Amino acid sequence: GAGVSQSPSNKVTEKGKDVELRCDPISGHTALYWYRQRLGQGLEFLIYFQGNSAPDKSGLPSDRFSAERTGESVSTLTIQRTQQEDSAVYLCASSFPLAGANNEQFFGPGTRLTVL
Amino acid sequence: EDKVVQSPLSLVVHEGDTVTLNCSYEVTNFRSLLWYKQEKKAPTFLFMLTSSGIEKKSGRLSSILDKKELFSILNITATQTGDSAIYLCAGGSNYKLTFGKGTLLTVNP
Repeated sequence: GAGVSQSPSNKVTEKGKDVELRCDPISGHTALYWYRQRLGQGLEFLIYFQGNSAPDKSGLPSDRFSAERTGESVSTLTIQRTQQEDSAVYLCASSFPLAGANNEQFFGPGTRLTVL
Repeated sequence: EDKVVQSPLSLVVHEGDTVTLNCSYEVTNFRSLLWYKQEKKAPTFLFMLTSSGIEKKSGRLSSILDKKELFSILNITATQTGDSAIYLCAGGSNYKLTFGKGTLLTVNP
């Protein structure tokens, strides 16, 4: 597609429910990233995919968080048993494979998650 | 642990003013310094800097990197209300961007 897309744009859920957030990267971008942005904060790295594998999951805050990617394309971030502290905007970004110092990442519009 | 610190955290100016936003970084395997503008949700790319002392310019915005002092600045001249946004700085390593908390810029008419 023309840009990175994410769905849903907004999600309101009750504490304890599971949620799935979806990211469609730019076609041809093999690198995909998930970030979390709490209100008034910067972007917090969650996980990095190269192709369908995730060499860096170091930012996932707990085992309630998981992500997968299929077909070197769509990625899904799953949060199980949501807690109120999970409320944030979840941003996805994609980029071409690394080439020297080229790290430009293109961001999607994000999913605003509210856990009641 | 990689770290990026931006200052000031917020800034209020009048249209026409010039502003300078600061970014210092400590990033292992540093490759590049990126600036993004975030107005609503999706950050949009402004600049990527890889070499010291070479200014990058786009209209009223410009940025420069000092790899010795681990520092970058973003300048905006003749500010307009449309420049109001959060400006994010990120240090890039082999594959990862480490973001600062951002500077919230408000430009009043």
